[in-house]
Amino acid sequence: EVQLVESGGGLVQPGRSLRLSCAASGFTFEDFAMHWVRQAPGKGLEWVSSITWNSNNIGYADSVKGRFTISRDNAKNSLYLQMKSLRTEDTALYYCAKERIVGGSFDYWGQGTLVTVSS
Amino acid sequence: QSALTQPRSVSGSPGQSVTISCTGTSNDVGRYNYVSWYQEHPGKAPKLMIYDVNKRPSGVPDRFSGSKSGNTASLTISGLQAEDEADYYCCSYAGRYTSVFGGGTKLTVL
Repeated sequence: EVQLVESGGGLVQPGRSLRLSCAASGFTFEDFAMHWVRQAPGKGLEWVSSITWNSNNIGYADSVKGRFTISRDNAKNSLYLQMKSLRTEDTALYYCAKERIVGGSFDYWGQGTLVTVSS
Repeated sequence: QSALTQPRSVSGSPGQSVTISCTGTSNDVGRYNYVSWYQEHPGKAPKLMIYDVNKRPSGVPDRFSGSKSGNTASLTISGLQAEDEADYYCCSYAGRYTSVFGGGTKLTVL
């Protein structure tokens, strides 16, 4: 059974940093691209970032480019999102999602970890 | 990276069909056959319903179908059931390892 378990969320002040993790199991992690998707309270889904299986190719939403860094450790079956210079508008539930094969569709999602940016 | 445009809400009675549109640009929906649709019930993680414009993952009822014409993709749900009431989001690959979601559509089953 595929499982994605996010962690690392919490309350953080504007301008500070936070690192999210996603532990994957139930599939061959190193074979698949992975993504972060977020959802602000009461709002829609927003794609945040992606990383290919070998970390050679990475993409970011304009809203986080230069502030967030995605990475993965295939030996640990883990995905990460380093978030710096956090803003109040980054407050959201952050989901880790597995790409189906290619083309940016997400066939498995975690339950999310909540990041609240507030002073 | 502008969000894809979806109607904020649609509704239909049990047994009827509804279609949700998703309009992008020639840089995303119009360029790639990588449009996907997600169903989200309150408090739950999104669920993949359609991928690659018109393909259904295993376990998704064939009442759900997808299509695309130009810069607009569509999700059609036929034979509406009460459990279909949810938020629906489209998503398109937008090149350079980026993706973009639509703003979401709330489906109400009357």
